[in-house]
Amino acid sequence: AQSVTQLGSHVSVSEGALVLLRCNYSSSVPPYLFWYVQYPNQGLQLLLKYTTGATLVKGINGFEAEFKKSETSFHLTKPSAHMSDAAEYFCAVSVKRDEKLTFGTGTRLTIIP
Amino acid sequence: KAGVTQTPRYLIKTRGQQVTLSCSPISGHRSVSWYQQTPGQGLQFLFEYFSETQRNKGNFPGRFSGRQFSNSRSEMNVSTLELGDSALYLCASSTQGANTEAFFGQGTRLTVV
Repeated sequence: AQSVTQLGSHVSVSEGALVLLRCNYSSSVPPYLFWYVQYPNQGLQLLLKYTTGATLVKGINGFEAEFKKSETSFHLTKPSAHMSDAAEYFCAVSVKRDEKLTFGTGTRLTIIP
Repeated sequence: KAGVTQTPRYLIKTRGQQVTLSCSPISGHRSVSWYQQTPGQGLQFLFEYFSETQRNKGNFPGRFSGRQFSNSRSEMNVSTLELGDSALYLCASSTQGANTEAFFGQGTRLTVV
């Protein structure tokens, strides 16, 4: 079975600073990896996904993530934080022939003005 | 294109009662998944339906059940409600394949008193 670990349940960064949210996964077969964002009282919205091909994936709102198989990681980054980035971020994994998304516990991102 | 619609948005029920939640997926999406989100447990997978058949099931007691209709709309039922069932219930729809994006509804906030 696959699993996801997100290091840091709360991360605070200053406006304009680098955002780095960590995600490590465990999977016995090649994974599909996703980052979702959730704003208060909303559902989840896809930021980006890795399925196959290029390991550096660009998403919406200036976010990107790099799939590193050797480190079993899929960390999310954004060069310059904006106040509107304040939200909860979830890393998720799925595998072929299994429609289930397994989520990490989430990281709440706070932006300091 | 209309998004995933969940009704009702908010619900208050008494212990021991039962409840039915509804989810209308994006047109053309045949896969509907349900998740329970709580502060303590995070996002947990309940079950997934595809073309009216349950394809995947999470580790929830039999009090949690679901079904999918021929138009892909799905319902989730919880019987004999417990206080611990208070949560945000999220529905997600997708096209076929574990590598495809899941589109989430805004959720139904269930409070059991």
